[in-house]
Amino acid sequence: AQSVTQLGSHVSVSEGALVLLRCNYSSSVPPYLFWYVQYPNQGLQLLLKYTSAATLVKGINGFEAEFKKSETSFHLTKPSAHMSDAAEYFCAVRPVNTGTASKLTFGTGTRLQVTL
Amino acid sequence: DGGITQSPKYLFRKEGQNVTLSCEQNLNHDAMYWYRQDPGQGLRLIYYSQIVNDFQKGDIAEGYSVSREKKESFPLTVTSAQKNPTAFYLCASCYSGGTVNEQFFGPGTRLTVL
Repeated sequence: AQSVTQLGSHVSVSEGALVLLRCNYSSSVPPYLFWYVQYPNQGLQLLLKYTSAATLVKGINGFEAEFKKSETSFHLTKPSAHMSDAAEYFCAVRPVNTGTASKLTFGTGTRLQVTL
Repeated sequence: DGGITQSPKYLFRKEGQNVTLSCEQNLNHDAMYWYRQDPGQGLRLIYYSQIVNDFQKGDIAEGYSVSREKKESFPLTVTSAQKNPTAFYLCASCYSGGTVNEQFFGPGTRLTVL
């Protein structure tokens, strides 16, 4: 079964610093990949998704992620952190040979803290 | 506005009681999902349905039941057989057309067993 690993359950950055959240997938065939954000006591919101059309994917709120097949990674970055970025971030994977509405497998999440 | 609604937002239950969590969507999505979220464990899939009157077990279906009688609705019942039901429950839906569609999530229901 496919899985994703998110290294670092907690990441702390200063406001204005680079944000880097790591996600690695386990699959011999590159899957479809998603990044979601969750604010406290709320549902998840899609930040961006990798669909094999382009390796560098731009999302909402200034986030982007780069798909690297050689590293089986899909790390999420943002050049300059803002206090409003403090949230939990989830990476998710879906195999390409399954239907569009097939289930996703989520990582365990990374909580981002932004300090002044 | 289109979206997913979950009710109630907070739910308290005594041990031994069954409770039903509501999930409604007006996005015209065919597929719907229920997840359970516990601290440090991410989201785990309980049940999902890709079409009306059909559903499949996810990774942690024991102690839960669902129905899908209408396209818009996918209620989840937490039964007394679920040994540790205190958690945050999230409902999601997805459009089945196209190639790569994301899941849209509701605001969640926090269930606490007293």
